Amino acid sequence: QKEVEQNSGPLSVPEGAIASLNCTYSDRGSQSFFWYRQYSGKSPELIMSIYSNGDKEDGRFTAQLNKASQYVSLLIRDSQPSDSATYLCAVGKDTGRRALTFGSGTRLQVQP
Amino acid sequence: NAGVMQNPRHLVRRRGQEARLRCSPVKGHSHVYWYRQLPEEGLKFMVYLQKENIIDESGMPKERFSAEFPKEGPSILRIQQVVRGDSAAYFCASSPTEGSPLHFGNGTRLTVT
Repeated sequence: QKEVEQNSGPLSVPEGAIASLNCTYSDRGSQSFFWYRQYSGKSPELIMSIYSNGDKEDGRFTAQLNKASQYVSLLIRDSQPSDSATYLCAVGKDTGRRALTFGSGTRLQVQP
Repeated sequence: NAGVMQNPRHLVRRRGQEARLRCSPVKGHSHVYWYRQLPEEGLKFMVYLQKENIIDESGMPKERFSAEFPKEGPSILRIQQVVRGDSAAYFCASSPTEGSPLHFGNGTRLTVT
């Protein structure tokens, strides 16, 4: 079982729709959760961080965390073609490996 | 404020040569991380360093790979006797404290011919 799992996609949504990206993790000791966006050939850039159960909203982005289900998601409202990228879920722990563990990413395509 | 600076951006090496990748973290950041990314794949953790100390190298191959983060100067990822399978994008990231979000550099794309 991978430590952090994401559906590789591509996830295709029409412009203006809500894109829902999902991530599950295996270690119950995980404490910090991040979503990064990576355009093709570029470096990852941080979009959202979330540390406690519930929702966290920032503009068109909402991160949702459910530690009991070991599940974190990212919603993108009013999707734009410029949102087309690979979205990486990253998980951090307090013990053991203390660097972030990344999922393999979900490729999002927003159709104009 | 300068972000994480990596150089070179592109590096071509022949099999058997050495590759040296450099990373200067964000000013004030003392935690440096190296990740490797193959095409169409996620980021694979290699090594986590603080100034002069390797904290976690569990993701780094035991042979041919080494990393350092000296008291002065950039962090260096060294790959000796490169093979074609080492071709990848190598990303460096830094953070001010452990557990805080990572700031990534633009990466070094290594091609082994």
